[in-house]
Amino acid sequence: GQQLNQSPQSMFIQEGEDVSMNCTSSSIFNTWLWYKQDPGEGPVLLIALYKAGELTSNGRLTAQFGITRKDSFLNISASIPSDVGIYFCAGQPSRGSNYKLTFGKGTLLTVNP
Amino acid sequence: AAGVIQSPRHLIKEKRETATLKCYPIPRHDTVYWYQQGPGQDPQFLISFYEKMQSDKGSIPDRFSAQQFSDYHSELNMSSLELGDSALYFCASSLPGKSNGELFFGEGSRLTVL
Repeated sequence: GQQLNQSPQSMFIQEGEDVSMNCTSSSIFNTWLWYKQDPGEGPVLLIALYKAGELTSNGRLTAQFGITRKDSFLNISASIPSDVGIYFCAGQPSRGSNYKLTFGKGTLLTVNP
Repeated sequence: AAGVIQSPRHLIKEKRETATLKCYPIPRHDTVYWYQQGPGQDPQFLISFYEKMQSDKGSIPDRFSAQQFSDYHSELNMSSLELGDSALYFCASSLPGKSNGELFFGEGSRLTVL
């Protein structure tokens, strides 16, 4: 099945710094989504991307759907302590997907105040 | 706004016992998905239902079964529990006819098998 390679696995940054993480795939995805998960909680949808090349922002978050449809990145600007958590990329395949998502392995973000 | 409701939030079982998890989707959502997330792992798709019919099947063990009822809530039944079944189980739902992958997740049910 499809696999998503998400990097980095973890990041330790200072409050106020910008963060960038990305996902790549060997196969095409129809939709890319970015979720944030706090410990013991369910993933929360941050940004959804539907078209190749699309650049979408949600507050301090910006994400892009790669032009090849095989990658996506998420940027967080001016990080704050509450940005701490695990960020997952997720993709919906373009064929026979039945809407289910394939998740990346996640990026653990730690923000030092 | 109403979210996906899962119960119980925590469950402790012995090996070989059975467990049932319940999921109540967001009102008007007709599709339900079940995911399993082991410690430090990404969520793995188990099974999904659309309009009370199974729509897709992932890495769900044969010991597990699920169904969606007429009120769209879903139950995941797990039998002959094994230690490796200890995980967070998430239910997610999506809007009718929403094919863009926007899934909304519940808070999860943490199953511990001793």
